[in-house]
Amino acid sequence: AAGVIQSPRHLIKEKRETATLKCYPISRHDTVYWYQQGPGQDPQFLISFYEKMQSDKGSIPDRFSAQQFSDYHSELNMSSLELGDSALYFCASSFGPRYEQYFGPGTRLTVT
Amino acid sequence: KQEVTQIPAALSVPEGENLVLNCSFTDSAIYNLQWFRQDPGKGLTSLLLIQSSQREQTSGRLNASLDKSSGRSTLYIAASQPGDSATYLCAVIVGGGADGLTFGKGTHLIIQP
Repeated sequence: AAGVIQSPRHLIKEKRETATLKCYPISRHDTVYWYQQGPGQDPQFLISFYEKMQSDKGSIPDRFSAQQFSDYHSELNMSSLELGDSALYFCASSFGPRYEQYFGPGTRLTVT
Repeated sequence: KQEVTQIPAALSVPEGENLVLNCSFTDSAIYNLQWFRQDPGKGLTSLLLIQSSQREQTSGRLNASLDKSSGRSTLYIAASQPGDSATYLCAVIVGGGADGLTFGKGTHLIIQP
C-alpha cells in the first residue's frame, strides 16, 4: 500500500515569500499531523486535523496556516518566510486520533 | 509540559551485540508511546507502538517495553546488524484527540561491522 505522500520534496524560497506544502495521507486515514524538524533537532508538532477539523495545535507560528480538505489531503501554508523556517517538514497520518502515526518522506524547505 | 529524555545520546557497538535504548517521560498520563527510526536526512519509520495498557510489544529483533507508572520505556535490539545504524526516537502522546507526538532527542546508534 502507498505510504504518506508529500510534495514538493524540496523547496527553495527567499525571505518574505510564501510556500505551500501538500500532504496526501494513507488511504482511509482521516487524521493528519504536521511536524517541523530543524537541523539536528527532534521533530516539533505544529498542528493536526481529524475529519477535516483542526484538532490540536502545537508550536505553529501565526504566519503558518493549514487545512484538511474533503479528500483528507492537507496543505500547510507558510507566509512571510524567515531564515529560521528552513527545516524538514513532515506530514503524518493515522487511522483515527491516537493511533499509530505514519510519516511521509518530508519536504525540505530552504529559505535564503 | 511533557518532556521526553533518551539515554544514551549516542552509542557505538560491534555487530552482533544485543543492546538497550532508554526513554523516560515526565508525565505518566500518556495514551501511547511510539518508537521510530530515522536515517540521516530521511523520514521517520515507525518501529513499534505501545498503548498505555500494554507492557511490551515485539517486532522481529525488536522488543519495546513500557512502565507507565515510572515513566520509562526501553527498546531492546537483538543481534545488532550494521543496517540497524540510525537515530532512534521515542515519542509519546498525552491526552485525547489528535494530539501531536512529543519526541525525545534520540539515540544515535552506530553498529560497527
